[in-house]
Amino acid sequence: DQQVKQNSPSLSVQEGRISILNCDYTNSMFDYFLWYKKYPAEGPTFLISISSIKDKNEDGRFTVFLNKSAKHLSLHIVPSQPGDSAVYFCAAISNDYKLSFGAGTTVTVRA
Amino acid sequence: ETGVTQSPTHLIKTRGQQVTLRCSSQSGHNTVSWYQQALGQGPQFIFQYYREEENGRGNFPPRFSGLQFPNYSSELNVNALELDDSALYLCASSLQNSYEQYFGPGTRLTVT
Repeated sequence: DQQVKQNSPSLSVQEGRISILNCDYTNSMFDYFLWYKKYPAEGPTFLISISSIKDKNEDGRFTVFLNKSAKHLSLHIVPSQPGDSAVYFCAAISNDYKLSFGAGTTVTVRA
Repeated sequence: ETGVTQSPTHLIKTRGQQVTLRCSSQSGHNTVSWYQQALGQGPQFIFQYYREEENGRGNFPPRFSGLQFPNYSSELNVNALELDDSALYLCASSLQNSYEQYFGPGTRLTVT
């Protein structure tokens, strides 16, 4: 069963504009959420995270928003840069310490 | 500080064979998790090791097994390989009871 879902397989955005990536989850036991970025032929790189006791976490150009009642989180990238072109995975974790991943969203930033 | 490393980078095996993949955890990390990423999908949790003991397992058959060594490095062994085992195998290390896991570059396994 897919407990973490990323319903948009791809996103194309112009350089300088905002990228918004969405993620939904079903397991109410998840208490920590992470975003990873992956380039081809590399492993996922940790990007930003948020605890379930918060609704927003910001790190430079990256902001993650969490809506617990809707079981929804999003990643905002502002402004988008060509180097942001990659696959982005949403992941969730509970006290069993195993990550559950979405299928990923491929972001393409157009010059 | 060295990151997570994995070996080999790629390998090709025949159905029915056995394979061993290796992982060295990030300096200071004592917990290692293994994930399988099939094409077009997100990584799927296989199992986790802490202090040389299995500390949680995903929905994978017993022919997937692992080891962790005193220096926290780890091996993933897969017996009786099947075509569907073709995937990218990722190792991630973390501190015990930490939610943040750091991944290696992966081993691309092709089963023919």
